[in-house]
Amino acid sequence: AQSVTQLDSHVSVSEGTPVLLRCNYSSSYSPSLFWYVQHPNKGLQLLLKYTSAATLVKGINGFEAEFKKSETSFHLTKPSAHMSDAAEYFCVVSDSGTYKYIFGTGTRLKVLA
Amino acid sequence: GAGVSQSPRYKVTKRGQDVALRCDPISGHVSLYWYRQALGQGPEFLTYFNYEAQQDKSGLPNDRFSAERPEGSISTLTIQRTEQRDSAMYRCASSAVPSGANVLTFGAGSRLTVL
Repeated sequence: AQSVTQLDSHVSVSEGTPVLLRCNYSSSYSPSLFWYVQHPNKGLQLLLKYTSAATLVKGINGFEAEFKKSETSFHLTKPSAHMSDAAEYFCVVSDSGTYKYIFGTGTRLKVLA
Repeated sequence: GAGVSQSPRYKVTKRGQDVALRCDPISGHVSLYWYRQALGQGPEFLTYFNYEAQQDKSGLPNDRFSAERPEGSISTLTIQRTEQRDSAMYRCASSAVPSGANVLTFGAGSRLTVL
């Protein structure tokens, strides 16, 4: 069965500093991994996805994530945080066996001026 | 349609009433998913369909919850005899084909409050 663990429920960074949101996954089959963002009172928006092509995946708004099979990780990074990045971020795993998309519990990113 | 449409956006009901939440997926999308998101939590899988067939309903909490997609397009999630613990945001998503690699496109959600 798939599962995903987001290691930090809250992360605070200063504007202009790097962002790291951590995600570890478990999957019985070849996983697909996604990051979604949810701004306050808004819907879920796809940031990026990994589906067994390049292990370094670039997404929207300067975010990227690296798939590391040996570490079962898919951490989300951004070189320089912007105030508009403040939101909740969800790591998602799915696999070709079940087609079920499992969400992590979320990481709330706060960006300080 | 152009996006995933959910209705109603907000529903307030009294304990014991039945509610029906509707999802209209992106036109032509084969797969349709329902999730429930409690305040401060991540979306929790409820059920999903390919065309009109319900492929997995393992996430439905109990038999008060049911879902259907009779013509392979619009889906309805029904909660019977609502309880306060059912209060949450209910989110629908669709994807083009049945594949764990496809992107899920979400609707804006239906916020249910049970008094």
